[in-house]
Amino acid sequence: EVQLVESGGGLVQPGRSLKLSCAASGFTFSNYYMAWVRQAPKKGLEWVATISTSGSRTYYPDSVKGRFTISRDNAKSSLYLQMNSLKSEDTATYYCARLNYGDFDYWGQGVMVTVSS
Amino acid sequence: EIVLTQSPTTMAASPGEKVTLTCRASSSVSYMHWYQQRSGASPKLWIYETSKLASGVPNRFSGSGSGTSYSLTINSMETEDAATYYCQQGSSYPWTFGGGTKLELK
Repeated sequence: EVQLVESGGGLVQPGRSLKLSCAASGFTFSNYYMAWVRQAPKKGLEWVATISTSGSRTYYPDSVKGRFTISRDNAKSSLYLQMNSLKSEDTATYYCARLNYGDFDYWGQGVMVTVSS
Repeated sequence: EIVLTQSPTTMAASPGEKVTLTCRASSSVSYMHWYQQRSGASPKLWIYETSKLASGVPNRFSGSGSGTSYSLTINSMETEDAATYYCQQGSSYPWTFGGGTKLELK
């Protein structure tokens, strides 16, 4: 059974940093592209980052480019999202997701990040 | 950036009623994917590559479309289908989602 379990969320002040983790199990992690998707309270879904199987290629939307960094450790079957210079508009539930061919076929339960002073 | 516009934003359907949700893209995309999100839960892949049902999805659901116009159809609405449905394109970066259609039970 595919499982994705996020951790590392919480309350953080604007301008500070936070690192999210996602522990994967039930599949060969190193064979899949992975991604982060977020959802602001009562809002829709927004793609945040994608990483290739080896970690050599990463992709971001303009809204987080230069501030967020996606990475992975295939030996630990783990995905990460380093978030720097956080803004109030980054407040959201962050989901770890496995990628199929451009679609997100499995999602974690999500972790809440609140950016507020 | 490809903008996805879903319509309607909200709708209500009675059990047994046929339901069609639409998603229009600002530029042509190769495929459209659809997700179901029930209240308080994570999204689930529902339909991928325009018309393929994800594992466990009832066959009363179907997907169709091409280019800039796509749709998700429920042949006969059931109670458990009440949820928000999102379309998503993975054809070109940045990947984008539609704003969602909230489907309620009448």
